[in-house]
Amino acid sequence: GAGVSQSPSNKVTEKGKDVELRCDPISGHTALYWYRQSLGQGLEFLIYFQGNSAPDKSGLPSDRFSAERTGGSVSTLTIQRTQQEDSAVYLCASSLTVGKRETQYFGPGTRLLVL
Amino acid sequence: ILNVEQSPQSLHVQEGDSTNFTCSFPSSNFYALHWYRWETAKSPEALFVMTLNGDEKKKGRISATLNTKEGYSYLYIKGSQPEDSATYLCALKTSYDKVIFGPGTSLSVIP
Repeated sequence: GAGVSQSPSNKVTEKGKDVELRCDPISGHTALYWYRQSLGQGLEFLIYFQGNSAPDKSGLPSDRFSAERTGGSVSTLTIQRTQQEDSAVYLCASSLTVGKRETQYFGPGTRLLVL
Repeated sequence: ILNVEQSPQSLHVQEGDSTNFTCSFPSSNFYALHWYRWETAKSPEALFVMTLNGDEKKKGRISATLNTKEGYSYLYIKGSQPEDSATYLCALKTSYDKVIFGPGTSLSVIP
C-alpha cells in the first residue's frame, strides 16, 4: 500500500476484555514502532521491531500488553484484560531501516476507549 | 529517565505572524533530532532530520536550527497560515533505534 494502515480505526470495549490492534507497515520497511498517546500526553514509545524480533520491549506498560510481528510485515498489539487507563490513541509507524536519518511514517492510529 | 521538552505547550497566533518554538534535550544523549507535524485527524508527518551541530533546515516558510552542545532546536514559521495549525513534535534519537518524542507544541493560526 501507499502508507501505513491500522485497524480498527476506532474500538470501544468493556473493561476486562482483550483487544487486538493491527498495523500494516509500508512494504519493504524493516522497522516498525508502536506508540500511544493518552489524553493530554505526548507520544509514549511502546515497542519496536526490527524484522520479526523486538529488541526493545522496555516501553510496554505492563504484562497485559504484548506485540508480535510475522513475516517481517504485519504487526499486532494485544492488550489483555483492558483497563480504563488503556484508553488512548495507538499509533504505529514504520521506517525503511534504522539509523540516524531514518524518519518514521505513521499510520492514522486506532482510538481505543475502554468503558 | 531521559526527558525531551517542548515549549510553549500551545500557541495562538494571527495569520501572517511569525512564530517559533523550542525543543530541549540532554545534549549528552544526542544522536539525531527529527521534527514532525501532526495535524488533527491525520498522521504525524516528518518535517526535518537534523544530525549535526549548527544544522539549519528549511522547507518553504518553515525552518529549524540545531544546537547539540547546549541541547536545543528551534522551529520557526514565517508568515503563519491557517494550514500551519497543527501539533509540532520533536523526537530525539539517542541511538540508531531509540527515539523519544517531546510532548509537542500545539499551534493555532487564527485567520
